Amino acid sequence: GDSVTQMEGPVTLSEEAFLTINCTYTATGYPSLFWYVQYPGEGLQLLLKATKADDKGSNKGFEATYRKETTSFHLEKGSVQVSDSAVYFCALSDGGGFKTIFGAGTRLFVKA
Amino acid sequence: SAVISQKPSRDICQRGTSLTIQCQVDSQVTMMFWYRQQPGQSLTLIATANQGSEATYESGFVIDKFPISRPNLTFSTLTVSNMSPEDSSIYLCSAGGRPNEKLFFGSGTQLSVL
Repeated sequence: GDSVTQMEGPVTLSEEAFLTINCTYTATGYPSLFWYVQYPGEGLQLLLKATKADDKGSNKGFEATYRKETTSFHLEKGSVQVSDSAVYFCALSDGGGFKTIFGAGTRLFVKA
Repeated sequence: SAVISQKPSRDICQRGTSLTIQCQVDSQVTMMFWYRQQPGQSLTLIATANQGSEATYESGFVIDKFPISRPNLTFSTLTVSNMSPEDSSIYLCSAGGRPNEKLFFGSGTQLSVL
């Protein structure tokens, strides 16, 4: 079945450092890909998404490109802030409908 | 956009009892889902709550243990029945309007079973 694998955390960075969180997926169809973020004490919210190969999703300085050839959707940000400290989930929605499958989540700590 | 209210936000329960979690959406949505998020782990889909019909359960989850209701397009409940400590987890309600589009999430119910 479909699955999502993302790098284990926690990831600890200093403010203004470059961030990469790796995400790869397995899917039989043509999924849409998402990054969700969960800030402390809050529910999950969509950070960005891409619906087809070579699409780049971006939001709040974060970017991820849908790479079909490597089945990847890595999350990047050029300069992280303390406020980016959260848990980040990579996810896919199967091509047929609504079901969304999540990766294990990567906790990010950003130090001032 | 949809705002999801979920309650209770947390509860501590005794082994063998049941807890019903409520999920209210501020607009009509096509699909509603229930997830479980165990400490340090990913979200696991429990079931899809179908309006007007029985929920569709994922492998490893059964209706007797996790009965779900969805009486209309804005409301759903999940009951965790005959609880054991292994049911201690965060339970999340989510909703979506269209295939392959984003999901909206409630803030979760943190359940501890003693």
